[in-house]
Amino acid sequence: ETGVTQTPRHLVMGMTNKKSLKCEQHLGHNAMYWYKQSAKKPLELMFVYSLEERVENNSVPSRFSPECPNSSHLFLHLHTLQPEDSALYLCASSQVPTDFYGYTFGSGTRLTVV
Amino acid sequence: LAKTTQPISMDSYEGQEVNITCSHNNIATNDYITWYQQFPSQGPRFIIQGYKTKVTNEVASLFIPADRKSSTLSLPRVSLSDTAVYYCLVGPMYSGGGADGLTFGKGTHLIIQP
Repeated sequence: ETGVTQTPRHLVMGMTNKKSLKCEQHLGHNAMYWYKQSAKKPLELMFVYSLEERVENNSVPSRFSPECPNSSHLFLHLHTLQPEDSALYLCASSQVPTDFYGYTFGSGTRLTVV
Repeated sequence: LAKTTQPISMDSYEGQEVNITCSHNNIATNDYITWYQQFPSQGPRFIIQGYKTKVTNEVASLFIPADRKSSTLSLPRVSLSDTAVYYCLVGPMYSGGGADGLTFGKGTHLIIQP
């Protein structure tokens, strides 16, 4: 148990569907992150929330919409995705200011867009 | 963050000691060296961090020469379960003091065979 729980673990969706990924952290952290990991590519930082405010959006297409209702929960809403969006989506949390060993990752959601 | 270079992949056998070297020629005085491990279909997890000389914990050892332009992650007596991607990250202890997230490279894919 890493303290960061992601659901679902696997998701298959059509290009016209709308779905949401959920992340919950039980560590009392005040910052949460979404990462995307495509096959044979480095992890890409998508969104950063600190104290429930979005502080970073790394040029992510609008078909990805994050939501952070409180410091323990993070969502990634998905709509009209493309097959190239198939990837492992990872959530992480930390306590700001964060040193290099202070990040805790979840196990990810394996998303397949058909 | 300082640019790092590490082998794309390595192979070894159960029971062997594995050493993964990371080059970071432009390391700054206040930079630390941090290693993360990522098992298949899981998020990365912190394994070790150091500034100079040698650091050892229950998982690995980290060797850093006096000039700090490289570092070596040493895994003693590996098993099949050590098959993972290992990432070397170099930067100041606190990445900007805020919720900046971590920037990962491609890492080293270590494959352990029976």
